[in-house]
Amino acid sequence: GAVVSQHPSWVICKSGTSVKIECRSLDFQATTMFWYRQFPKQSLMLMATSNEGSKATYEQGVEKDKFLINHASLTLSTLTVTSAHPEDSSFYICSARNQRGTYEQYFGPGTRLTVT
Amino acid sequence: QQQVKQSPQSLIVQKGGISIINCAYENTAFDYFPWYQQFPGKGPALLIAIRPDVSEKKEGRFTISFNKSAKQFSLHIMDSQPGDSATYFCAAREGGGADGLTFGKGTHLIIQP
Repeated sequence: GAVVSQHPSWVICKSGTSVKIECRSLDFQATTMFWYRQFPKQSLMLMATSNEGSKATYEQGVEKDKFLINHASLTLSTLTVTSAHPEDSSFYICSARNQRGTYEQYFGPGTRLTVT
Repeated sequence: QQQVKQSPQSLIVQKGGISIINCAYENTAFDYFPWYQQFPGKGPALLIAIRPDVSEKKEGRFTISFNKSAKQFSLHIMDSQPGDSATYFCAAREGGGADGLTFGKGTHLIIQP
């Protein structure tokens, strides 16, 4: 149980284009999902908190107009990187919080984004 | 400001030995402390977690020790195996569960056969 998937697992796009990344909780409902970014050999940094049916909450320094988050259902959140630039190249990882029990966060496998 | 400080940055342990990774925090509002294991190119996997009302939690070869007064917690991996070679992150979350996790900088663990 507690499986979180992401799609795609990797993507290459040209500078100026937009990319959408999906995060799904496969066997549990998650009213709250989180998006993290991880640069090579660095730690995970929380970008935003995604709440089903409401606007996302962004961490300080994260541009909400650049990183669009939609949490349309209890099992799906999407992150769209708009007008991507090479500095947006990173490993994007989502997590979903289990609403039952002790609220553990389970992470997806991550999406490697490369902007050329 | 780094809210969760993790050490060491890298660690080499012989097979069968004990791997010890330490974390310290300042925010007394933290009330949930998980440890994650991450392999290259993969997402973090939850290993074990503890709340401040207990001083120790053990699951298989993994043990968390928690010192509330010192605001420190550590991960012990007993009988370390080459398959344990990975990056380990400690993390913390404020009470209520609504917030995302604050991660330490990670420890790159190598278990030598």
